[in-house]
Amino acid sequence: DAKTTQPPSMDCAEGRAANLPCNHSTISGNEYVYWYRQIHSQGPQYIIHGLKNNETNEMASLIITEDRKSSTLILPHATLRDTAVYYCIVRVAGGANSKLTFGKGITLSVRP
Amino acid sequence: NAGVMQNPRHLVRRRGQEARLRCSPMKGHSHVYWYRQLPEEGLKFMVYLQKENIIDESGMPKERFSAEFPKEGPSILRIQQVVRGDSAAYFCASSPQGAQDGGYTFGSGTRLTVV
Repeated sequence: DAKTTQPPSMDCAEGRAANLPCNHSTISGNEYVYWYRQIHSQGPQYIIHGLKNNETNEMASLIITEDRKSSTLILPHATLRDTAVYYCIVRVAGGANSKLTFGKGITLSVRP
Repeated sequence: NAGVMQNPRHLVRRRGQEARLRCSPMKGHSHVYWYRQLPEEGLKFMVYLQKENIIDESGMPKERFSAEFPKEGPSILRIQQVVRGDSAAYFCASSPQGAQDGGYTFGSGTRLTVV
């Protein structure tokens, strides 16, 4: 019952921007968009989250459409170490329903 | 500022034995979540605990699995009478106050192998 849809995989060249799309057409007004990634065999790593405004941190930028039905995670200069499965998750922040529900994610392969 | 600590990193158990997985949350975090990742599959939520309380155990198998987060000490995920199908990576995450202002922090996981 994943609430997000992501392509199964994509690749990009090292040093170029990686734009990872996510559809969440049934998102509720109080749900945030979170992005995590999982590098092979490691625990998931938080990347960024947002409600309706675009967000940027040292790892990535998150662009959320005005209707909030989709978003794009941007890694501005992908490196080989960014090869991972990236998960887009919608979630109510806080409270008993605050668990993260992971879907299949998108496998990003960064090529030299 | 140590992150979420899970131990052991690797655990091998024979069928029928018990497995105890430990998770020490980040300092100041009072919420703990356990996830299981079967080989070549995604992460599945198991249980959400606060200190001395189970908040959501909707992902826990009905038998053999239990979890606790006592007032003092780490959270424990306990699997009794393990079977080969329990072989998986078990990840713990912690957050402060339900992570309203940010995400969870995950540990490095415990890889359970049942032989």
